[in-house]
Amino acid sequence: IQLTQSPSSLSPSVGDRVTITCRASQGISSFLAWYQQKPGKAPKLLIYAASTLQSGVPSRFRGSGSGTDFTLTISSLQPEDVATYYCQQLNSYPITFGQGTRLEIK
Amino acid sequence: EVQLVETGGGLIQPGGSLRLSCAVSGFTVNSNYMSWVRQAPGRGLEWVSVIYSGGSTYYADSVKGRFSISRDNSKNTVDLQMNSLRAEDTAMYYCARLNCYPGSCQGGWFDPWGQGTLVTVSS
Repeated sequence: IQLTQSPSSLSPSVGDRVTITCRASQGISSFLAWYQQKPGKAPKLLIYAASTLQSGVPSRFRGSGSGTDFTLTISSLQPEDVATYYCQQLNSYPITFGQGTRLEIK
Repeated sequence: EVQLVETGGGLIQPGGSLRLSCAVSGFTVNSNYMSWVRQAPGRGLEWVSVIYSGGSTYYADSVKGRFSISRDNSKNTVDLQMNSLRAEDTAMYYCARLNCYPGSCQGGWFDPWGQGTLVTVSS
């Protein structure tokens, strides 16, 4: 199952609402997770089961979608949100990740 | 405290072998689903392998037949034996727990992650 993220990169301003999309090549129900990876660090889980916020993750992060189309939304961008974001599916093996969306601050 | 610490990375020539280890604290590896995920320099994440609590293993096609995942319950570690290494295996290798629903890993997600160990395959 291929996951295609869009856009590949974006440069919003602090306080902006940010939306990242992940499209699956076939239906995966709600079997999608989102990760944040800061430079030189390991990925960090943000959201699983498409919309469940991991404990300790700020509420400005929200996941939605099912089937083939999914969205990660940051309601009000903060400077510490600069990172690359990945989606991941485990509807079936092999486990796959999207190619990543690089988020910078304008 | 839950912690995963990977060791064993380094510089290895093409065709060589390397064994990575992931030392886990805070939970037991034999009761969980443990996985390896890698990231080539400047590239995205690629799942490599998983070992289930029951012992079943799965591999990405890119490493099948060359890599082998195992665990040592007495040491609470998960290992990745890598043989016939190629330049394209150069990457940071992360150990992570695959969280699954009771009875099925469909919908599973990775958390927590280790800090990674770097493998460089080059002559």
